[in-house]
Amino acid sequence: DTGVSQDPRHKITKRGQNVTFRCDPISEHNRLYWYRQTLGQGPEFLTYFQNEAQLEKSRLLSDRFSAERPKGSFSTLEIQRTEQGDSAMYLCASPAGGARDEQFFGPGTRLTVL
Amino acid sequence: GQQVMQIPQYQHVQEGEDFTTYCNSSTTLSNIQWYKQRPGGHPVFLIQLVKSGEVKKQKRLTFQFGEAKKNSSLHITATQTTDVGTYFCAGDTSGTYKYIFGTGTRLKVLA
Repeated sequence: DTGVSQDPRHKITKRGQNVTFRCDPISEHNRLYWYRQTLGQGPEFLTYFQNEAQLEKSRLLSDRFSAERPKGSFSTLEIQRTEQGDSAMYLCASPAGGARDEQFFGPGTRLTVL
Repeated sequence: GQQVMQIPQYQHVQEGEDFTTYCNSSTTLSNIQWYKQRPGGHPVFLIQLVKSGEVKKQKRLTFQFGEAKKNSSLHITATQTTDVGTYFCAGDTSGTYKYIFGTGTRLKVLA
C-alpha cells in the first residue's frame, strides 16, 4: 500500500456514458499526476496538478477529458461520452518532491467501455 | 513530439544471467527515473538520476545516466526470479516535472 487510493478500482460502462474517477493522494504531497496505461505500454501522461492548479495537460487529451483538484487535496478525472478506445488503466501518482521525487502510484482504475 | 524509447522490448534470461535495458530520449532530460512494474501491479519507483554521467547502485542493480543526458541504462547482475516484471524509464524532458515514460522492457527470468 503506497498511501495513494483510487476509486473505483473497476468500471464497466457503455459507449457514450460519462465516468468519473477519484484519486486521494498522500496528504502532504503537493503534486498529483494522472496517467493512462494500456496493455503492454508504459504509463501515458495525461495531466498534473501543483496543489489546486492544473499545470500541464497532454495534447493527446481530447476535450472529453477533464480533471479537477479542488482545494489541492483529492482529484477527479472525468471522461465524457466514453469511446471504446478509452478502455485502459487510469493511474494516479503522488510524487514526494525534493531531490528524490519518487512517484507513489495508486492501484489504478480499470475502465472497460463496451 | 517528445519520445522515450527503450530496448529491448522483451528479454528472457536464465536465472543467474545478467540483464540490461537501455532508455533513449529524443531530447535532453532534466532527470530520469526508473520504475518496476510486476504483472497486475502498479509502477514502483527504483531510483532517480539527475547529473550527467551519474552512476548509482542498489545491490545488484546499476543505473547510469548518459553524459549528454539523453540516455540511461539499468543493469541487473545475476538475475533472480524476483526480478521478473517490466522496467520503465521516465524522463522529465522539459524541467517542468512532466514525466514521459518509456516503452518498457519486459523481463522474464527462467529458473
